[in-house]
Amino acid sequence: GNSVTQMEGPVTLSEEAFLTINCTYTATGYPSLFWYVQYPGEGLQLLLKATKADDKGSNKGFEATYRKETTSFHLEKGSVQVSDSAVYFCALSDTGTASKLTFGTGTRLQVTL
Amino acid sequence: DTAVSQTPKYLVTQMGNDKSIKCEQNLGHDTMYWYKQDSKKFLKIMFSYNNKELIINETVPNRFSPKSPDKAHLNLHINSLELGDSAVYFCASSQELSEQYFGPGTRLTVT
Repeated sequence: GNSVTQMEGPVTLSEEAFLTINCTYTATGYPSLFWYVQYPGEGLQLLLKATKADDKGSNKGFEATYRKETTSFHLEKGSVQVSDSAVYFCALSDTGTASKLTFGTGTRLQVTL
Repeated sequence: DTAVSQTPKYLVTQMGNDKSIKCEQNLGHDTMYWYKQDSKKFLKIMFSYNNKELIINETVPNRFSPKSPDKAHLNLHINSLELGDSAVYFCASSQELSEQYFGPGTRLTVT
């Protein structure tokens, strides 16, 4: 079956530091890949997505590239802010009739001044 | 004009009770979902409906019963609540194979 593996957190960074959160996946076929963010006490928000190999998703300074050869979709940001503190989820959806999302375990990011 | 809304936001109840969580989306999407997020933040799909028809039913106790009166609503009814049902339940919707939009979540605490 499908699965997503994320690096374990928490990740603690100083403001303006470079962020990488690793994500690798196992899937049959050609899934779409997503990063969702969950701010404290809130629901999940889509951060970015990529639907095919070599696509780069980007939003709010975050980016991730769909790498089929390494089955990875690592999240990066050049300079994090305190307001980026949240839990980040990598997810994939298969190409069936219902795009069921399979999530990674989430990585908590804490950014300090 | 919330896209995906859930009620209630918090639900505290005793073991053995029956409770419902409601979800509504105003995005015109055809597909709706229920996810469960446990205390370690792990998210897992429970159900999915497409145009009021059940299309995903993961390994969930039959005490959980989703109901979709129309394609804008997907409610979750839980019978005989157990301590292990304590979690945050998220509703989501999507149009065909596009990205899913999540509601704010319902935190269920069973005592």
